[in-house]
Amino acid sequence: DGGITQSPKYLFRKEGQNVTLSCEQNLNHDAMYWYRQDPGQGLRLIYYSQIVNDFQKGDIAEGYSVSREKKESFPLTVTSAQKNPTAFYLCASQGGGAGKQETQYFGPGTRLLVL
Amino acid sequence: GQSLEQPSEVTAVEGAIVQINCTYQTSGFYGLSWYQQHDGGAPTFLSYNALDGLEETGRFSSFLSRSDSYGYLLLQELQMKDSASYFCAVRDSSYKLIFGSGTRLLVRP
Repeated sequence: DGGITQSPKYLFRKEGQNVTLSCEQNLNHDAMYWYRQDPGQGLRLIYYSQIVNDFQKGDIAEGYSVSREKKESFPLTVTSAQKNPTAFYLCASQGGGAGKQETQYFGPGTRLLVL
Repeated sequence: GQSLEQPSEVTAVEGAIVQINCTYQTSGFYGLSWYQQHDGGAPTFLSYNALDGLEETGRFSSFLSRSDSYGYLLLQELQMKDSASYFCAVRDSSYKLIFGSGTRLLVRP
């Protein structure tokens, strides 16, 4: 089955620690995205990548970093510079043919909590 | 700046019809999408409008008026499982989506 996976489901971060959230897709999509969602809020774009080895900052990139070494993978690192990292993190991919090119497919999300 | 406005909460009874409005102000416009998100879950795609008019998909319909920078999602024959948050999203001049803050729909028996 094609899809997009994220791991872990829950992640705990200690003060001063960097943590990495995994995102993998087997949909053969070129574009991938990372969003942050705070309780009762919409989705805010952290980083996005339209092609392998290229990525751009979104609206709230400070304190985060990404890499795109493979088409299937787009990991997000939450660095110690991100002072308020507690949130629900969603990864998405986008692609497809006519009529489907605007659809983003989301992974199940990772809930990050600070200890 | 870029913004999408939608009501924060809507309540309706089972079997009824509900309309969720969305107005947008963005730098460039390449279509209006709607996503559904149940509590604790991931957003799932519902519909997309690139041109003016109504798009129908089963019990859900979506409308767009580009001249008014306005769209809506219409949900018919409401079911309890439709209780969720609904987000409108606009693709702007770059290859990314701008999301509204979401409308929480509560369906009552």
